[in-house]
Amino acid sequence: DAGITQSPRHKVTETGTPVTLRCHQTENHRYMYWYRQDPGHGLRLIHYSYGVKDTDKGEVSDGYSVSRSKTEDFLLTLESATSSQTSVYFCAISESGAGTGERSGYTFGSGTRLTVV
Amino acid sequence: ILNVEQSPQSLHVQEGDSTNFTCSFPSSNFYALHWYRWETAKSPEALFVMTLNGDEKKKGRISATLNTKEGYSYLYIKGSQPEDSATYLCAFTSGNTPLVFGKGTRLSVIA
Repeated sequence: DAGITQSPRHKVTETGTPVTLRCHQTENHRYMYWYRQDPGHGLRLIHYSYGVKDTDKGEVSDGYSVSRSKTEDFLLTLESATSSQTSVYFCAISESGAGTGERSGYTFGSGTRLTVV
Repeated sequence: ILNVEQSPQSLHVQEGDSTNFTCSFPSSNFYALHWYRWETAKSPEALFVMTLNGDEKKKGRISATLNTKEGYSYLYIKGSQPEDSATYLCAFTSGNTPLVFGKGTRLSVIA
């Protein structure tokens, strides 16, 4: 989608290895989010950011860490990948967010399909 | 953890039929309710953001209503077309947290 890109699009990794997924935006939006999508669960929030170096945990944050050193980039790291982290990961951005109200819609990236073997 | 429920889970309709789905959410601490359309192999795209009780929003053949007092929203599609086939997601926020998504309703429109 215009304004937000995720990389890589696909990745296969081995159990126990660290993996970093990148979300890059050109919209200068303050809020960025990482969700994972699994069959039967819909989209579940992993972590989100409400500004540079400001992040918070979501519903399924165990085993994940994030960093946001500049407005345009939000990195998701799987510290030691496990098979349960095989999923499709979506990044999203929004102008307004938690604390100010999600009254603007989210814009989603194209997703990263991660397979942990 | 907030609970957002959508029904039905999936729906098959004939081209030209009108259809509707339901999203249920907590009626307390309401701030906004979003609807997204998610086509296979693409990303979710925002349809509506609804904030006031009684809100009705429309985009072409798709419309949505909101009842914050009882905690539900309906999405209607009039005269379904094959290109309407997608998963429709609703998402809720109390204002202090990011969106919590339902599991979606998967619509298939048969030509």
